[in-house]
Amino acid sequence: AQSVAQPEDQVNVAEGNPLTVKCTYSVSGNPYLFWYVQYPNRGLQFLLKYITGDNLVKGSYGFEAEFNKSQTSFHLKKPSALVSDSALYFCAVRDRDRGSTLGRLYFGRGTQLTVWP
Amino acid sequence: DAGVTQSPTHLIKTRGQQVTLRCSPKSGHDTVSWYQQALGQGPQFIFQYYEEEERQRGNFPDRFSGHQFPNYSSELNVNALLLGDSALYLCASSLWGLAVTDTQYFGPGTRLTVL
Repeated sequence: AQSVAQPEDQVNVAEGNPLTVKCTYSVSGNPYLFWYVQYPNRGLQFLLKYITGDNLVKGSYGFEAEFNKSQTSFHLKKPSALVSDSALYFCAVRDRDRGSTLGRLYFGRGTQLTVWP
Repeated sequence: DAGVTQSPTHLIKTRGQQVTLRCSPKSGHDTVSWYQQALGQGPQFIFQYYEEEERQRGNFPDRFSGHQFPNYSSELNVNALLLGDSALYLCASSLWGLAVTDTQYFGPGTRLTVL
């Protein structure tokens, strides 16, 4: 079964410091991995995805994520956090080897990121 | 380039009633997926539509049904509403031909409150 774990409900970081939001996954085949961000009373905005190739993926707003197959992780990172990065972040996975679940995304519970000035 | 749109923004219903939510996909997309996001949870997949057919379904009862129109827009219907149906309902659009690798783009959601 496909699943995603985001072990931290909340992450707090000072503006200008690096941030990491953790994600681990479980799929029966090979994964496609996604990060989305949700601002209050808004839908999900796509940040980045890992499909294949380089394990370090760069996305929108200066975010990047590192795919680690051995640790089944896909942590979201940013070198220097901004107050405007404060939001709810979701990691999601799709099992690319299971045709019957094409298109379905499995989401984690989300991590609330707070960047304080 | 129009993104994914959903209507209405908010909706209040009472138990036992029926509700219809609407979604228009991003320009150029032909596939619509619906998700339910309960408070404090991540989105849960309800079902996906392509070529006016339900292509796959998550673990939701038959009270949840949908439809896709020739212009690719979609409706989500929920019958016999329960208090537990209160949630943010998200619509996502994508391209069927790239189903596995394609990014799903989400609308702003419809907040349903069942009293």
